[in-house]
This record gives sequence, structure tokens and C-alpha cells, in this order.
Amino acid sequence: EDQVTQSPEALRLQEGESSSLNCSYTVSGLRGLFWYRQDPGKGPEFLFTLYSAGEEKEKERLKATLTKKESFLHITAPKPEDSATYLCAVRSQAGTALIFGKGTTLSVSS
Amino acid sequence: NAGVTQTPKFRVLKTGQSMTLLCAQDMNHEYMYWYRQDPGMGLRLIHYSVGEGTTAKGEVPDGYNVSRLKKQNFLLGLESAAPSQTSVYFCASSYSLRDGTDTQYFGPGTRLTVL
Repeated sequence: EDQVTQSPEALRLQEGESSSLNCSYTVSGLRGLFWYRQDPGKGPEFLFTLYSAGEEKEKERLKATLTKKESFLHITAPKPEDSATYLCAVRSQAGTALIFGKGTTLSVSS
Repeated sequence: NAGVTQTPKFRVLKTGQSMTLLCAQDMNHEYMYWYRQDPGMGLRLIHYSVGEGTTAKGEVPDGYNVSRLKKQNFLLGLESAAPSQTSVYFCASSYSLRDGTDTQYFGPGTRLTVL
């Protein structure tokens, strides 16, 4: 069964304190791994798609990496506006829809 | 370019009532999806459509029906609402399933409460 596990569930950082979020997955033939950001009361906002192990993508203070079993979302020198829930999802070879993890809620204080 | 829009934003129903949620996209996307999001659980797929006139069941389809009469619209119906259907509903769309064009873009959500 395809499964996505995100850790930690919640993470509190001081402004400027870099860290990483983890997304572990088991899927029958990975077609894509997706990272989204979700603010309270809003819909998920697309951040990155990774398709193969070793691939990396960056956007401002965020960098996503992918291995054969997990993905990391690295946050460098975070700011309070980076506070949000970060969702990871995978699509399998046979699948149409995304399988989502439960998310990591990040809080950055100044 | 509005992206994906959903109406209504909020709704309160009594048990047994029916309603329809509307999703519209202006990106000419072929694929559309309905998810629900509940506390402590990830987003779960209810139904999806791979093109105008087609629908298919997702992970949690019971109690819901869908229709895709026009490419840009995807309707989610609840025929007889139950308290277990209290949730936040998200619509999403994607251009295709090919690498590079399979990103799903989400709407702002509909918060539904069933009393």
C-alpha cells in the first residue's frame, strides 16, 4: 500500500535557525513527489515537484531533495512568514491521484 | 487568471439535507479532483475526472456523487448529508499525468459543517 509519513508533526524554530522536514514514502513506482505549503484556512500552494532520486530544487529559502526512500525540505535562515503547514505527496506509477502525508506544522518566531 | 475557484466558501447543513459544491478552473486542465481534509489526517481523494464527461472513484467515495459536464467545472454532490461528512473540501486540477505537467493546483476550499 502506498504510504507517506512526515516528521516531525510540529517544529518550532527561531528566526534564522535552519532545519529540515522529512517525508518518507513507500510507493509502487514513484512518478513524482510533491511539496505544498498550506496556510491556515487556505488551500495547498504548490512548491516543488521531484521526479528522480538525486534531484534537487530551490526556491528562496527552501530546498527540496529526493532519495529512493525519502525527501527533505531544507529551510535556510527561516523567517516568521515561513510559518505554515508543509505537505508532502506522492504519485505512483499506477496512480492518478496524490497520496498525502499528514503534514509538518512549522512555526518561526522572531 | 483566477486558477481554481470553489463555491461556496462555508456551508452549514442539517443531517439529511443535500447540497452541491462547485469547482471551476480557467487553466484548460484536463484532470480535476475532489479531496477532503480532516484534522489529523492527510488530504484524501473522494472522486476525480480525467476529462469532460468522465468520473472515477477515489479513496473515500461513499456518500458523494460528482459530475463533469463541462471541462472547466467539476461538481461534488451530497445527496443526504451526515455528520461524518463535516470536513474541508478542496478541489484541484492538473493539465495531464505526464512528468512536468502533472502538478495539481488547489482551490481555496469549502468548509462544510453537518449538524
